[in-house]
Amino acid sequence: DAKTTQPPSMDCAEGRAANLPCNHSTISGNEYVYWYRQIHSQGPQYIIHGLKNNETNEMASLIITEDRKSSTLILPHATLRDTAVYYCIVRVGSSNTGKLIFGQGTTLQVKP
Amino acid sequence: EAGVAQSPRYKIIEKRQSVAFWCNPISGHATLYWYQQILGQGPKLLIQFQNNGVVDDSQLPKDRFSAERLKGVDSTLKIQPAKLEDSAVYLCASSPPGLAGQEQYFGPGTRLTVT
Repeated sequence: DAKTTQPPSMDCAEGRAANLPCNHSTISGNEYVYWYRQIHSQGPQYIIHGLKNNETNEMASLIITEDRKSSTLILPHATLRDTAVYYCIVRVGSSNTGKLIFGQGTTLQVKP
Repeated sequence: EAGVAQSPRYKIIEKRQSVAFWCNPISGHATLYWYQQILGQGPKLLIQFQNNGVVDDSQLPKDRFSAERLKGVDSTLKIQPAKLEDSAVYLCASSPPGLAGQEQYFGPGTRLTVT
């Protein structure tokens, strides 16, 4: 079973920041949080991952709470092309064999 | 850089028939994964290869599903015989040497319909 809980759906206005929450209260100290997204009829796409510190890349920012029990993915300026299912995943296992267990994700609808 | 290639993109078969899917990972990627994604659900890992060895096949229904990765490059996933509940998208992914699972690159998937 997935170790994360996400809202099933969210809306966001185009050009505004999209903040996608994720709860992972049972996360272990050495487990990473990953975010992937899946645009309709495509394979999932990696967005970002983190362990303890906040992370930022060209796609998004990841904010992890100090107790690591929850995190937020931030898309700073959402566009219509960001409409997708967003998956928050805790990687289970070691660095060489760890696997991703996908939940049902959050369907983000970006509206004009 | 070419992405993960999969074929066919679509397949329709009748129950009890056999089907095979093919995956060509990104060049140099040591780890290869097969996922099953049923409509409305997230992908579920079926099998993970590290080079040509199986790392995890705990979720693979071994009575009807089989997979191989000859020479540690291409891979095939076979279903024999197919059931109605096998209707799904089958996704192949690969990741570079080192930290398996850190960043997986997914192919477009094969949509299987079993009638």
